[in-house]
Amino acid sequence: DGGITQSPKYLFRKEGQNVTLSCEQNLNHDAMYWYRQDPGQGLRLIYYSQIVNDFQKGDIAEGYSVSREKKESFPLTVTSAQKNPTAFYLCASNTGGSPLHFGNGTRLTVT
Amino acid sequence: AQRVTQPEKLLSVFKGAPVELKCNYSYSGSPELFWYVQYSRQRLQLLLRHISRESIKGFTADLNKGETSFHLKKPFAQEEDSAMYYCACGSYNQGGKLIFGQGTELSVKP
Repeated sequence: DGGITQSPKYLFRKEGQNVTLSCEQNLNHDAMYWYRQDPGQGLRLIYYSQIVNDFQKGDIAEGYSVSREKKESFPLTVTSAQKNPTAFYLCASNTGGSPLHFGNGTRLTVT
Repeated sequence: AQRVTQPEKLLSVFKGAPVELKCNYSYSGSPELFWYVQYSRQRLQLLLRHISRESIKGFTADLNKGETSFHLKKPFAQEEDSAMYYCACGSYNQGGKLIFGQGTELSVKP
């Protein structure tokens, strides 16, 4: 079954700790994206990667980091520098002008 | 600045009534416009894109470049249309990334 898998579904962390969200796709898509979804603000782009070993900052990259060592994987690290990390995080992928295909999301709660 | 605006946070209609979800955009160049939908407990998925010019689940959207709008319409709403709807625009010259609006929650009452 092809698709994007985000894990875990729910994540809880203490303030000051870094946390890494996983995103894996088996769609053979070249590009991958991380969005943050907050009520009333829609989706905002954090980072994106068009090819392996390359990535660009989106609109709200501060306090986040990513890596793209494999085509299938695009993990997102939420660092302690992110002021308001509690949110719903969505990973997406696409290739060759196709529409974005989204994962089920990870809800991160930082207390 | 590149921006997508959905002015209504919540739209509530009765079953069988017409529905229009508004979307306005500000984008340099020639953007592609999309509507994505998120049903309860499901992932965000593409509903339609302007270049396809097709109707999906009875929904249509026409790109009006003069008014920079891409409103989503359906003549007769159904209860199963209740969901969160996001308008988005982007360009594959910009790396394929999309800019999303704030979202409109559509509630169709029986």
